Amino acid sequence: GQNIDQPTEMTATEGAIVQINCTYQTSGFNGLFWYQQHAGEAPTFLSYNVLDGLEEKGRFSSFLSRSKGYSYLLLKELQMKDSASYLCAVIDSNYQLIWGAGTKLIIKP
Amino acid sequence: ETGVTQTPRHLVMGMTNKKSLKCEQHLGHNAMYWYKQSAKKPLELMFVYNFKEQTENNSVPSRFSPECPNSSHLFLHLHTLQPEDSALYLCASSRTLGDTGNTIYFGEGSWLTVV
Repeated sequence: GQNIDQPTEMTATEGAIVQINCTYQTSGFNGLFWYQQHAGEAPTFLSYNVLDGLEEKGRFSSFLSRSKGYSYLLLKELQMKDSASYLCAVIDSNYQLIWGAGTKLIIKP
Repeated sequence: ETGVTQTPRHLVMGMTNKKSLKCEQHLGHNAMYWYKQSAKKPLELMFVYNFKEQTENNSVPSRFSPECPNSSHLFLHLHTLQPEDSALYLCASSRTLGDTGNTIYFGEGSWLTVV
């Protein structure tokens, strides 16, 4: 079966750095997405990785290792507004999006 | 504002009611989706339409009936639902299907409570 694993919940402090991990076992791989979803709002696109390595976009970076079936989202200089759920999703060989259950990130002052 | 608009945002319905959820996208996309989001579970893909044609029905019970009159509009008709159908229903769109890097844009969702 196909599976995406993420931690259910993480807590971090304002101003700090947090890394949210995502491991996947899918039939094929055609890319990996990270989405952010604030409570009661739509998931919004954060990043897309299809090649190994680190993609940096402001305070957020996303890393991919296809050989390890692993990605992480790195959030720097955390702000209270970063409190949200972070969803990892993989495009499989049939171009279907397989979703993780999301990681709820709680930021404390 | 994601370019995908859903109405109503909140809906409470009895098990014998008939209601519909509406979705409209202003992005010029050709593919539209209905997802179900329940607490602490992965997003569940329900239906996919590409150029108004249904391409995916993930074993969804017949009490959910989709309709796609054109590439910009998508409906989800609801009839004789069960309490376990209570969830957030998300509409989404993308430029096309079957492409790498095909970013999906979501609406704000419709919170459905079945009583």
